Amino acid sequence: DADVTQTPRNRITKTGKRIMLECSQTKGHDRMYWYRQDPGLGLQLIYYSFDVKDINKGEISDGYSVSRQAQAKFSLSLESAIPNQTALYFCATRSGNEQFFGPGTRLTVL
Amino acid sequence: QKEVEQNSGPLSVPEGAIASLNCTYSDRGSQSFFWYRQYSGKSPELIMFIYSNGDKEDGRFTAQLNKASQYVSLLIRDSQPSDSATYLCAVNFNDVRFGAGTRLTVKP
Repeated sequence: DADVTQTPRNRITKTGKRIMLECSQTKGHDRMYWYRQDPGLGLQLIYYSFDVKDINKGEISDGYSVSRQAQAKFSLSLESAIPNQTALYFCATRSGNEQFFGPGTRLTVL
Repeated sequence: QKEVEQNSGPLSVPEGAIASLNCTYSDRGSQSFFWYRQYSGKSPELIMFIYSNGDKEDGRFTAQLNKASQYVSLLIRDSQPSDSATYLCAVNFNDVRFGAGTRLTVKP
């Protein structure tokens, strides 16, 4: 089984809908991250969490919210999706020097 | 200004050549530096990290760091077609920020 899993892997939704992307990990890491990736822009940090009680905004948090339900779970929500939130979303954990990425969620907002 | 800058490329080298990838960063307090490789449609995977000024070698890969110039590079020796991917530079201070990536193509 994969150490970092993301659900769903693909999602198509409409403008104005609320969407939740989920991330789970079995690595036991405290630090978790959400990134979005757009062509030519690399990975942009949305939110990160050092533990269940510590959540921080990243570069592009507007329009997003997160919930750290447990050490193993970190969810990303789009309260009212808009087309420019169409992107590939990655969850990651971190231990020491290395981040471990999930497989990604491809989100399309029509 | 983006905090981590990379040449977007694409960079094309012949098989067996040295590929040189460059990255600059804006935060002088940055403490650790990473190179990730990302194949199309896949997740990034860590190649190397470096903390100290100078060179760090791991097989065909060498990372170079110059904190005074706020510059980090990755050299790939004896480039292979399987090295064709996008290479992401990442910099850590309080969190981890990524550059836009450089697409490398190694031609047989």
